Amino acid sequence: GIQVEQSPPDLILQEGANSTLRCNFSDSVNNLQWFHQNPWGQLINLFYIPSGTKQNGRLSATTVATERYSLLYISSSQTTDSGVYFCAVARNNAGNMLTFGGGTRLMVKP
Amino acid sequence: DAGVIQSPRHEVTEMGQEVTLRCKPISGHDYLFWYRQTMMRGLELLIYFNNNVPIDDSGMPEDRFSAKMPNASFSTLKIQPSEPRDSAVYFCASRQRQGANTEAFFGQGTRLTVV
Repeated sequence: GIQVEQSPPDLILQEGANSTLRCNFSDSVNNLQWFHQNPWGQLINLFYIPSGTKQNGRLSATTVATERYSLLYISSSQTTDSGVYFCAVARNNAGNMLTFGGGTRLMVKP
Repeated sequence: DAGVIQSPRHEVTEMGQEVTLRCKPISGHDYLFWYRQTMMRGLELLIYFNNNVPIDDSGMPEDRFSAKMPNASFSTLKIQPSEPRDSAVYFCASRQRQGANTEAFFGQGTRLTVV
């Protein structure tokens, strides 16, 4: 099956700092999503971004499908950004089942 | 829409007991997925349905696990008998539009503890 690798596995930031999270995948995909799992365990949709660039407030994401990677940018980080960020991908010929990466655990310190 | 609804939110049961987890997908969504999250294995797909029909159950760990979707608005994941290694958070997700690439939405999960 498709492999999804996220880096870095852990990240500690001071409030106000910027960061870039990376997601590499091993095959072509038709679907790519970024999620934030908050400290209560809830999986929150951030972006649906199989290609191109999107922005939502302090967050933005870019997927370069031809090079099989996606980046999530967090600017001016806040303590509420803490949690685990997951990248998940799917291939159309696989029923669009999402395969998740191992996640990046982010801690933002005040 | 209220989103994907799962129940119960927490379940504690004794080894050997039957456990039933429930999921109500978002209305109009064609696909329903069951995932399990553990520290060791991360988020892994157990089974998914398309229009109430099970399509791929290759992720179901063993025969003790079974899933059903009797109608478009309800699915269950059953473990019988339960074992301590089944302790995990179980998520249900749904997605719309058969054949199209749209985003999946997840429920809040059921945290299962088998003692």
